[in-house]
Amino acid sequence: QKEVEQNSGPLSVPEGAIASLNCTYSDRVSQSFFWYRQYSGKSPELIMSIYSNGDKEDGRFTAQLNKASQYVSLLIRDSQPSDSATYLCAVSLGNDMRFGAGTRLTVKP
Amino acid sequence: GAVVSQHPSRVICKSGTSVKIECRSLDFQATTMFWYRQFPKQSLMLMATSNEGSKATYEQGVEKDKFLINHASLTLSTLTVTSAHPEDSSFYICSAEQGAIRTDTQYFGPGTRLTVL
Repeated sequence: QKEVEQNSGPLSVPEGAIASLNCTYSDRVSQSFFWYRQYSGKSPELIMSIYSNGDKEDGRFTAQLNKASQYVSLLIRDSQPSDSATYLCAVSLGNDMRFGAGTRLTVKP
Repeated sequence: GAVVSQHPSRVICKSGTSVKIECRSLDFQATTMFWYRQFPKQSLMLMATSNEGSKATYEQGVEKDKFLINHASLTLSTLTVTSAHPEDSSFYICSAEQGAIRTDTQYFGPGTRLTVL
């Protein structure tokens, strides 16, 4: 089982819709969770970090964490074509951080 | 805040030469930096963890004699690809960890695209 799993996509949503990105992880002791956005040919940029169960909102982005289910998600409200990118889920495992393979999101005008 | 730079952004070299890539944290001190490699349409692959003042920790399958890492100060880590070959062509990205706790947030540099002819 992969340490961090994401649906590779592509996930396609119309402009203005809510995009839902999901991530599961295997290590129960994980404490820190991150979502990064990576545009094609560019390096990842941090969108959100979340450390405790529940929701964390930042603008159009909401991260949701459920440690019991070992599940973290990212919701993007009012999706824009500029949100089209690959979204990487990252989870701290012990002293290291592991990345999922990423979900490719396409927002269609 | 939390800006990480990399230099060069792009390099083309001949097979057999060595290439040095610099990673700098511009507005914070980074005890720990990380080096990743990413092939087209694939995810990030951690190559090594660079600790200031000590030897780097390499991931399984990464040749430490080929990918030399030096972390001489709290703001600079370098990756040298020695005797580069075409299969080393990839996107190399560094990240720096802000904060004293090892699992704190990583901030990425803009990456270096290496092409070995």
